[in-house]
Amino acid sequence: DIVVTQSPDSLAVSLGGRATISCKSSQTVLSSSNHKNYLGWYQQKPGQSPKLLIYWASIRESGVPDRFSGTGSGTDFTLTISSLQAEDVAVYYCQQYYTIPYTFGQGTKLEIK
Amino acid sequence: QVQLQESGPGLVKPSETLSLTCTVSGGSISSYYWSWIRQPPGKGLEWIGYIYYTGSTKYNPSLSSRVTISVDTSRNQFSLRLNSVTAADTAMYFCTRVNVHGHSDSWGQGTLVTVSS
Repeated sequence: DIVVTQSPDSLAVSLGGRATISCKSSQTVLSSSNHKNYLGWYQQKPGQSPKLLIYWASIRESGVPDRFSGTGSGTDFTLTISSLQAEDVAVYYCQQYYTIPYTFGQGTKLEIK
Repeated sequence: QVQLQESGPGLVKPSETLSLTCTVSGGSISSYYWSWIRQPPGKGLEWIGYIYYTGSTKYNPSLSSRVTISVDTSRNQFSLRLNSVTAADTAMYFCTRVNVHGHSDSWGQGTLVTVSS
């Protein structure tokens, strides 16, 4: 199985500040055939189901604010929230969907400082 | 806008079978993959498996001996069966629509299943 590891486990950022979450996979998730990274980011607010934010490592899902951005390739990825809003308090997960079983990182809890 | 709704018993006895159904509305179940993902209380997400509308399936090897996912296109539903459950199977179970490339772009609200006698 591909092991996906996020850091940090938790993060406190001031309103308007920048939040950065790292995601590392134990094997590459970059396809040599289509040059796409099979990596997504999800946001789970308290008491809710996860919501897709980013796919292909850097493509924002429709309706997701542009303060959310994803970067990286191969085994190292980053989710950045450029200007933290109160509604961004949540747990964030990355997921690789390159190889079955699809696997998730352990999650990063984002709070307001 | 597609919507997914999980249904099924909230309490299952140890050694018995967990059975859940996901009803898809606002769109056809055809032409997509559909998955089950679970989340133990206070913990992270675990991918269980997916099914294509044609019936083709892929499962997490850690659960494959106990899992069956099926689809009923006439009812726009797909289902999960997990045999021989233990307390470790206690979790929120989510059904999702899976984009052809693998990411889950729509999620149900989830249903909590507790395994206890």
